[in-house]
Amino acid sequence: AQKITQTQPGMFVQEKEAVTLDCTYDTSDPSYGLFWYKQPSSGEMIFLIYQGSYDQQNATEGRYSLNFQKARKSANLVISASQLGDSAMYFCAMRESGSARQLTFGSGTQLTVLP
Amino acid sequence: SAVISQKPSRDICQRGTSLTIQCQVDSQVTMMFWYRQQPGQSLTLIATANQGSEATYESGFVIDKFPISRPNLTFSTLTVSNMSPEDSSIYLCSVGDRRGYEQYFGPGTRLTVT
Repeated sequence: AQKITQTQPGMFVQEKEAVTLDCTYDTSDPSYGLFWYKQPSSGEMIFLIYQGSYDQQNATEGRYSLNFQKARKSANLVISASQLGDSAMYFCAMRESGSARQLTFGSGTQLTVLP
Repeated sequence: SAVISQKPSRDICQRGTSLTIQCQVDSQVTMMFWYRQQPGQSLTLIATANQGSEATYESGFVIDKFPISRPNLTFSTLTVSNMSPEDSSIYLCSVGDRRGYEQYFGPGTRLTVT
């Protein structure tokens, strides 16, 4: 079974609007971490945000926030006030406590911001 | 956050040759990883580079094809041996911070095998 599922291969958003990128995960480990990365066409992987399974509040980093719904096993990324530079591939990833810090990645969502 | 550099940034290689990719971190890190990203795909872990001992390989990856060295806590190399066009990928080095809350990637090495 897929551990990380991103069901949106591609998304479009108008500049200055907010967009939500979906991510669901599957684990029986009570301790885990969820990550979001941005990969522009240059290929680098840019760390955006982290959410721990025991964190009581949703993580936020500037225009990025993570909508963490533990019971539903979802960790959606919300980007507010989209900018043209946000156009990129976005990956959700999970690290389980027993995995020696290895990350398991979803298939990614290609976000295009329209002017 | 850790600053990670990789060399080379890209290369075009002939079938049957080998390429060694270097990963340098600006601080000592316990965990270093090597990932592969095939064209249009997500990232797949190749192996965990262990300092002072043999790397731990994931299913589908073997030491003869992807030998890894980790001579100290700031440096690692990945060699892609006897290359074929199927090895054309981006290869990324990754490290975790001490708290375990963040994980960073190098800029990647874009490899094309002809």
